[in-house]
Amino acid sequence: EPEVTQTPSHQVTQMGQEVILRCVPISNHLYFYWYRQILGQKVEFLVSFYNNEISEKSEIFDDQFSVERPDGSNFTLKIRSTKLEDSAMYFCASETGLSYNEQFFGPGTRLTVL
Amino acid sequence: AQKITQTQPGMFVQEKEAVTLDCTYDTSDPSYGLFWYKQPSSGEMIFLIYQGSYDQQNATEGRYSLNFQKARKSANLVISASQLGDSAMYFCAMRSPLDQGGKLIFGQGTELSVKP
Repeated sequence: EPEVTQTPSHQVTQMGQEVILRCVPISNHLYFYWYRQILGQKVEFLVSFYNNEISEKSEIFDDQFSVERPDGSNFTLKIRSTKLEDSAMYFCASETGLSYNEQFFGPGTRLTVL
Repeated sequence: AQKITQTQPGMFVQEKEAVTLDCTYDTSDPSYGLFWYKQPSSGEMIFLIYQGSYDQQNATEGRYSLNFQKARKSANLVISASQLGDSAMYFCAMRSPLDQGGKLIFGQGTELSVKP
């Protein structure tokens, strides 16, 4: 069964460093999302992406964040200068867009900023 | 603005019994989707069940059913015959139409503990 994959599973970085979180969505999916979950809290929407552009972004998704689909398979989230409060689990999700049915979530990347 | 509320931070249930996890929502969109996800301690998000706002019947998926009461704006998850493996966080979510971005908005979650 096809699945969304994310790498790395865990990333540790120093405050102020740039990180790139990678996702490979399911191949025939057209809509892509990033969510984050701070430990012990709810899952929060960051950004949605369709047709090579951002469809919607939340207040969390400020100028330090960017997304890219560089090669038609990978979908990346870049944080330019990490802050302590960026420590969280980051989930990538994708869907076909044909119906309201589920967004398929990846296993997540746990980002720890020291 | 859309909002999802889960008022039960934690729930306990005896193995083999049924349990209901509450979820209420608020939206002005006539068309929306409601979802339940399970998050075990390992952290992944597992899709359980989906209910469309225009669906006439309540959704069911195996031991999971969704008690959808549109007038009350509630979408409670019912788990029948609870198993020890059902112990996890459960999140209710609502999504906006795709032409508005399609994002999922999650509730705070309910931590379910199944007792042997």
